[in-house]
Amino acid sequence: KAGVTQTPRYLIKTRGQQVTLSCSPISGHRSVSWYQQTPGQGLQFLFEYFSETQRNKGNFPGRFSGRQFSNSRSEMNVSTLELGDSALYLCASSPGATSTDTQYFGPGTRLTVL
Amino acid sequence: EDQVTQSPEALRLQEGESSSLNCSYTVSGLRGLFWYRQDPGKGPEFLFTLYSAGEEKEKERLKATLTKKESFLHITAPKPEDSATYLCAVPPYNTDKLIFGTGTRLQVFP
Repeated sequence: KAGVTQTPRYLIKTRGQQVTLSCSPISGHRSVSWYQQTPGQGLQFLFEYFSETQRNKGNFPGRFSGRQFSNSRSEMNVSTLELGDSALYLCASSPGATSTDTQYFGPGTRLTVL
Repeated sequence: EDQVTQSPEALRLQEGESSSLNCSYTVSGLRGLFWYRQDPGKGPEFLFTLYSAGEEKEKERLKATLTKKESFLHITAPKPEDSATYLCAVPPYNTDKLIFGTGTRLQVFP
């Protein structure tokens, strides 16, 4: 079974631009979560979607948004990029809707903001 | 406040030198604890899930244990390929997100 895939793998943007990242979960998985990973803050939860509905949201500004499609694929968008948004953005999928379901991570998208 | 703390931050071991990594947590109503391994530039790779105090799980040279306040990841006779950052995570009560510790960066030298 194919794992979680994320595109693009690398991205370079300038301040003020916006960016859209894509995540395809493992086949049959309906929950998708997004995380931001930086050297200083570690892995921080952004949001989680299940059946096209955002169920949980982390403490990030409104510039960070996401959505999930009917095929469980998910996108996250960051508008008005800031230098501090440079990070590895990770997507994870799990089969069900509970936190005790194991989350399987994709390889991440490395975003660099100049 | 829900919190996950891992120690040590970094650990250097000689090949074959066994040791343990610690993950302590302060969440109410623990429903599970996850261990992941992360190689540089890659996403975390799932290792174990522990659900209740006293539970233990093993995989090759790794063994994870859980008490009411902390979890240990024991590494027996490590090899250089075990070098990675090891992360633990817990879901706080009444939410489905995961809180991650900052990880232990393990380096195993031949």
